[in-house]
Amino acid sequence: DGGITQSPKYLFRKEGQNVTLSCEQNLNHDAMYWYRQDPGQGLRLIYYSQIVNDFQKGDIAEGYSVSREKKESFPLTVTSAQKNPTAFYLCASSIGVGLEQYFGPGTRLTVT
Amino acid sequence: GIQVEQSPPDLILQEGANSTLRCNFSDSVNNLQWFHQNPWGQLINLFYIPSGTKQNGRLSATTVATERYSLLYISSSQTTDSGVYFCAVLHGSSNTGKLIFGQGTTLQVKP
Repeated sequence: DGGITQSPKYLFRKEGQNVTLSCEQNLNHDAMYWYRQDPGQGLRLIYYSQIVNDFQKGDIAEGYSVSREKKESFPLTVTSAQKNPTAFYLCASSIGVGLEQYFGPGTRLTVT
Repeated sequence: GIQVEQSPPDLILQEGANSTLRCNFSDSVNNLQWFHQNPWGQLINLFYIPSGTKQNGRLSATTVATERYSLLYISSSQTTDSGVYFCAVLHGSSNTGKLIFGQGTTLQVKP
């Protein structure tokens, strides 16, 4: 059963703590993306990766970091430097850059 | 950068009614996708439609790239169609794969 999985579904953290969100895909897609969604808004790109061991900043990368050591995995770390980390985080993948993107179920992060 | 505007922002329908959602964009695009975000937040792919017309059951979409708009048609609406519909485009000059999202249309279908 091919798809994109994200875990956990809900995550609660105290201010000042780093937290890592998981994203895994078994679609054999080369490109992967992280987006952030705030209430009542569309999505904004945090980071993207076109291929293993390569990734680039999106529009709102400050306070976030990623790695792409395996084709199927693209974890996102929300660091304590991110000023407003509470949001809904969505991971996506596509066969190649610029092609149809498919999204995972998302992780809701709450930082207090 | 490219602007994406969706209308209407909110829509309330009776079950069985038809509707048209619109997406305007301010520059050339290489990719346009329509999504339905369900109440749990999942983004469901509806159409990948940089140009032309496609149909899938009660839903259809048309993109007229030269005039910079796309339309999503929902016929015989059902309560399960409720949620937020997003249009997202890939700018013609983009090499990042970054989708630019509109603000969405919130649809409520009443029984």
